[in-house]
Amino acid sequence: AQRVTQPEKLLSVFKGAPVELKCNYSYSGSPELFWYVQYSRQRLQLLLRHISRESIKGFTADLNKGETSFHLKKPFAQEEDSAMYYCALIIQGAQKLVFGQGTRLTINP
Amino acid sequence: EPEVTQTPSHQVTQMGQEVILRCVPISNHLYFYWYRQILGQKVEFLVSFYNNEISEKSEIFDDQFSVERPDGSNFTLKIRSTKLEDSAMYFCASSESLPATQYFGPGTRLTVL
Repeated sequence: AQRVTQPEKLLSVFKGAPVELKCNYSYSGSPELFWYVQYSRQRLQLLLRHISRESIKGFTADLNKGETSFHLKKPFAQEEDSAMYYCALIIQGAQKLVFGQGTRLTINP
Repeated sequence: EPEVTQTPSHQVTQMGQEVILRCVPISNHLYFYWYRQILGQKVEFLVSFYNNEISEKSEIFDDQFSVERPDGSNFTLKIRSTKLEDSAMYFCASSESLPATQYFGPGTRLTVL
């Protein structure tokens, strides 16, 4: 079965420091990968998807098929980046998103 | 910007009672979904719905659950006889097509006593 693993439940970094949220997946085919973010008291919203290769709010993520990873990175963290981050995948032909456990990111001033 | 809406935001019910959770997807979207998140656990897929029928469902989505699109705008999730373990946050989502981005509602917190 497909699985998404986010090894860090909690991650705390200082403002201005680089941040990397890890995401690994298990699936033998070519999934589509997403990062969703949930700010305090707000809904889940798409941050980025690998197929679009965009940089949103300074975040980027590169799909590494060899390592089956899709880590989220930002070179200089800002306080407003504090939120819950979820990595998710959809496999070919399916409709459901498979989510990781989520990582709570806290940016300290 | 159009958004998915859900009502109520919080529902408290007694074990064994029926509940209906309501969602209004984004108006031009064709695919609709329900997910749930038990406190401290992952967001889990329940069911997807397209062209007035279930297109995919998980093993969680047993006979106690049903979905319906009773009119052109609402999408509902019914739990026939709630159990304590149904207590969770239930999220509705919609997308234009596949495999398009799924847009989530704010969620309904269901508490079963």
